[in-house]
Amino acid sequence: AQSVSQHNHHVILSEAASLELGCNYSYGGTVNLFWYVQYPGQHLQLLLKYFSGDPLVKGIKGFEAEFIKSKFSFNLRKPSVQWSDTAEYFCAGESGGSYIPTFGRGTSLIVHP
Amino acid sequence: NAGVMQNPRHLVRRRGQEARLRCSPMKGHSHVYWYRQLPEEGLKFMVYLQKENIIDESGMPKERFSAEFPKEGPSILRIQQVVRGDSAAYFCASSPSGGITGELFFGEGSRLTVL
Repeated sequence: AQSVSQHNHHVILSEAASLELGCNYSYGGTVNLFWYVQYPGQHLQLLLKYFSGDPLVKGIKGFEAEFIKSKFSFNLRKPSVQWSDTAEYFCAGESGGSYIPTFGRGTSLIVHP
Repeated sequence: NAGVMQNPRHLVRRRGQEARLRCSPMKGHSHVYWYRQLPEEGLKFMVYLQKENIIDESGMPKERFSAEFPKEGPSILRIQQVVRGDSAAYFCASSPSGGITGELFFGEGSRLTVL
């Protein structure tokens, strides 16, 4: 079955630390990948997405993710986190054409000022 | 520029009662998705609808759960004879084109508590 795995469920960092959140998928063939963020008390919103082309994708608020096909990974990175990045982060994927994203369990990020 | 609207935001029901959750998609969006989030779990897909059609309900429990998206009005997720295990956050998302652009626009969720 198609699935998305996020191995870090809780991450605690200090401001200015670098961030990398892991995401692995199990799809074969064409895959579309996403990172969503949910700030406290708000709805989920898209951070970035990968459909094809450059495997390094840049999103909003300084986030980026790299699609590594050989590792079935799509890890999210940010070189220097801020307190305002405290949120829940969800990786999602869908096999090309299904139009139904499968979400990972989510990673809770807490950034201490 | 209204986003996806879900109501009620919080719903409390006793076991055996019915729960109805409503979702109004963003203007111009004709595709609606429902996801459920149980404590300590991620978002689990339930059902994908277009206006007047259920496209995929593979994630929907076979009994007690139903969904509709009528020609007029919001999408409704209906849970009959609720049990404690139905307590969860239910999220609705919409898209203009069935996910072709990839992005889903989410509501803030409806939190169901079954006593």
